[in-house]
Amino acid sequence: NFMLTQPHSVSESPGKTVTISCTRSSGSIASNYVQWYQQRPGSSPTTVIYEDNQRPSGVPDRFSGSIDSSSNSASLTISGLKTEDEADYYCQSYDSSNPWVFGGGTKLTVL
Amino acid sequence: QVQLVESGGGLVKPGGSLRLSCAASGFTFSDYYMSWIRQAPGKGLEWVSYISSSGSTIYYADSVKGRFTISRDNAKNSLYLQMNSLRAEDTAVYYCARVPGDYWGQGTLVTVSS
Repeated sequence: NFMLTQPHSVSESPGKTVTISCTRSSGSIASNYVQWYQQRPGSSPTTVIYEDNQRPSGVPDRFSGSIDSSSNSASLTISGLKTEDEADYYCQSYDSSNPWVFGGGTKLTVL
Repeated sequence: QVQLVESGGGLVKPGGSLRLSCAASGFTFSDYYMSWIRQAPGKGLEWVSYISSSGSTIYYADSVKGRFTISRDNAKNSLYLQMNSLRAEDTAVYYCARVPGDYWGQGTLVTVSS
């Protein structure tokens, strides 16, 4: 089994850009798609990025995803931060033996 | 529009059983794999189980293997999770989600306590 490791928390000011990393412990990050979910307090998770870098309709283009094979990690970048972006963010991927693997989640504070 | 509505949560004693349901609408349920994910209070997301569109392929997390059973009824557009031998550590909000995770339900709370 592999693990996905995220920073516990990040914080940034409104209008700035923040990047949240998600590092895969074994196997190539490029081998299986990575999804990113946003979860606001008291709400269900919603997808902000799927298939590494695709945005669902309705998600602003301030959200972008990427992968870096050299660090075996995926990243979620949010530009032009707004207070409404304050939430927990989870990365998720899979392999042939593990249909869904979640990262531990990152709490984004916009202050 | 796509809707997933979970039900069946509640308070149960350790060792007890509970059956969760997830009613799907707004899409062709039989075309999609489905998954259960849970979230313990104040904790992160934990994948629980996964079932293929026909029900022929099923996976479980090690933490629930042998105790939980996932199933589906495509004629009723419904997904189920039978939970037996419940433990305190199974206390969580349980979400159903359409694979690949594009739609999630609102969740149902399961509390295992004496």
